[in-house]
This record gives sequence, C-alpha cells and structure tokens, in this order.
Amino acid sequence: DAMVIQNPRYQVTQFGKPVTLSCSQTLNHNVMYWYQQKSSQAPKLLFHYYDKDFNNEADTPDNFQSRRPNTSFCFLDIRSPGLGDAAMYLCATSRATNPEAPQHFGDGTRLSIL
Amino acid sequence: AQSVSQHNHHVILSEAASLELGCNYSYGGTVNLFWYVQYPGQHLQLLLKYFSGDPLVKGIKGFEAEFIKSKFSFNLRKPSVQWSDTAEYFCAVNSNTGKLIFGQGTTLQVKP
Repeated sequence: DAMVIQNPRYQVTQFGKPVTLSCSQTLNHNVMYWYQQKSSQAPKLLFHYYDKDFNNEADTPDNFQSRRPNTSFCFLDIRSPGLGDAAMYLCATSRATNPEAPQHFGDGTRLSIL
Repeated sequence: AQSVSQHNHHVILSEAASLELGCNYSYGGTVNLFWYVQYPGQHLQLLLKYFSGDPLVKGIKGFEAEFIKSKFSFNLRKPSVQWSDTAEYFCAVNSNTGKLIFGQGTTLQVKP
C-alpha cells in the first residue's frame, strides 16, 4: 500500500550527538513536512519541502536541518540534540500545499536523549 | 496569528455515550478545518474536513462536525461511542497556505 514510512520508530541518542531521522513515501507527493510533537502538546511544523524548495518555519531552531535528495526521501538532521529536543517527530506528505490536498502522516519517530 | 484551542484535554466516556469535543480557532479570514485522529500506536489519520458549503460535515466511522462561523467553532460529535474510538483527537486549521495549525489534542478514553 502507498504510505509514509518513518524509520526508526524509536531512536535514542546522547546529548550533543548528531542524529538523523528518515522518512520515505510511495505516494509520489510533491510536499513533505516535518513536525515536532512534545508530550501532551500539538504537533508543531518545523519545515517543509515543496519539491526541492525548502521552507523553514521562523521559529525552528538552527539545530534542525533537513535534506530531500529525491521525491521519495526526506531526512531530519538534529546537529546537537539537547534534552529539550526529546519528542515525537512526524513526517507528512501532501500532493500540494493548497488546503484541498490533505496531509498523510507517518507513524512517527520517538526520539529520546540520554 | 492563527491558533486552535481544544477545551477538553482528557475525556472519559462509557460505551454508547454521546461525544462532543470542542474546538475553537482564531483567524479572521477564510479557514479550512480538520479533525485528525491518532489511535494508540498508529499515525494521524484524517477524520473529516470542512472547506465550504454545508457546515455540517460527516466523516468516517460515524463522526461529524459542525462549523459555526459566528462562534469560530468546529466541534466534533458522535452519537454513540465505541471502545474502539479510544484515541487522541486533534483539531487543525489551515489558512490556504498549506500550513496546518493543530490544537493540543483531546485524549478520549471509552470504557467498555
């Protein structure tokens, strides 16, 4: 089935050690999003790609970077994770950025920082 | 700035009880409204959406929501909940930019 796949489901890293989270999609959607969801809080958009165009949210920390090498894959890089970066990270895709195009979410990667 | 507020953080119901989850948004322009559901261990799924037209929107699994523009509200309802409806429910708004603003979520626990 066409879907959004996030790997791994659970990731543990050490304070300050770079970590990369992966997202792939078989929907051939143009847009890929990364959200951060902390415990008992709403998912918060970090950035998104429309094809190769990167769109960063104004309040996304510089510590967070993203790469999209091709249509299918998108990566979230956290350069120096702090304890406050422990969260669920959600990847989503949509055909376009207009609101009629719903977003399809992956299962998320839960990141823990030691 | 846009924001979404969900009044109930945790709701506990018995099976067959009726459900109403509140959602209010703040945005003066044209909005597009969504309810997403996240079952335990699963990804966020779209329950229903409102763009225009009939303000009473029907979604999957017997859920419906009513858009009341004067109250800036988009409450989710279901006449009779089942144990399988236990999940977290998120209201979200989109202002024609593709950016979803989520509420903080409501955890629904249905007792068998």
